[in-house]
Amino acid sequence: DIQMTQSPSSVSASVGDRVTITCRASHGVSGFLAWYQEKPGRAPRLLIYAASYLQSGVPSRFSGSGSGADFSLTISGLQPEDFATYYCQQAYSFPPTFGQGTRLDIK
Amino acid sequence: QVQFVQSGAEVKRPGASVKVSCKVFGYAFSNYAIHWVRQAPGQNFEWMGWINVGNGNTKYSQRFQDRVTVTRDTSANTGYMELSSLTSEDTAVYYCARSSCGDDDCHSYAMDIWGQGTMITVSS
Repeated sequence: DIQMTQSPSSVSASVGDRVTITCRASHGVSGFLAWYQEKPGRAPRLLIYAASYLQSGVPSRFSGSGSGADFSLTISGLQPEDFATYYCQQAYSFPPTFGQGTRLDIK
Repeated sequence: QVQFVQSGAEVKRPGASVKVSCKVFGYAFSNYAIHWVRQAPGQNFEWMGWINVGNGNTKYSQRFQDRVTVTRDTSANTGYMELSSLTSEDTAVYYCARSSCGDDDCHSYAMDIWGQGTMITVSS
């Protein structure tokens, strides 16, 4: 199975900050990479698919980039509702696998 | 509005089976796949399997191959995941999620809608 490693595991930031989360795959996954947001008690939410495509309804302050084995999720101008846990997921190789998550806290 | 409603939390004894349901609203059920993903307390998401709702084909993670069965009832717009031979390590929140499908490949697509999750606790 392809291992997905996110960094950092947690990050503290303030409203208005710009934050970047990275995700590295143990093998290349081309552009088959998605990012999800998770909040306690809520359904996970797809933010980015195919590495850089913004899911419908997701604010444009979220952006994704990368290809091969290295990817990043950037949130520009953090809003209070963005404090959550973020996960990457590869869909290139069976079975799909997830990163361990990055918790974004309010500083 | 696209919405998934999952069945409620359950407590099971070791060795028992559990069947979780996922009723969908707001889209053509047969045009997509339903995936099942779980998250144990403090652990990562773990993908379990999918069903192509249109043709009923399934594919499972090797880790769960012998214990999981994913089905669907198109007349009820509902997907199901049954997990047998439960142990305490199966204590987790179980999610259903939707994706598109290619030619019998539903795992190359992002999961765009997720259910709220069903907590399954395995305890003696």
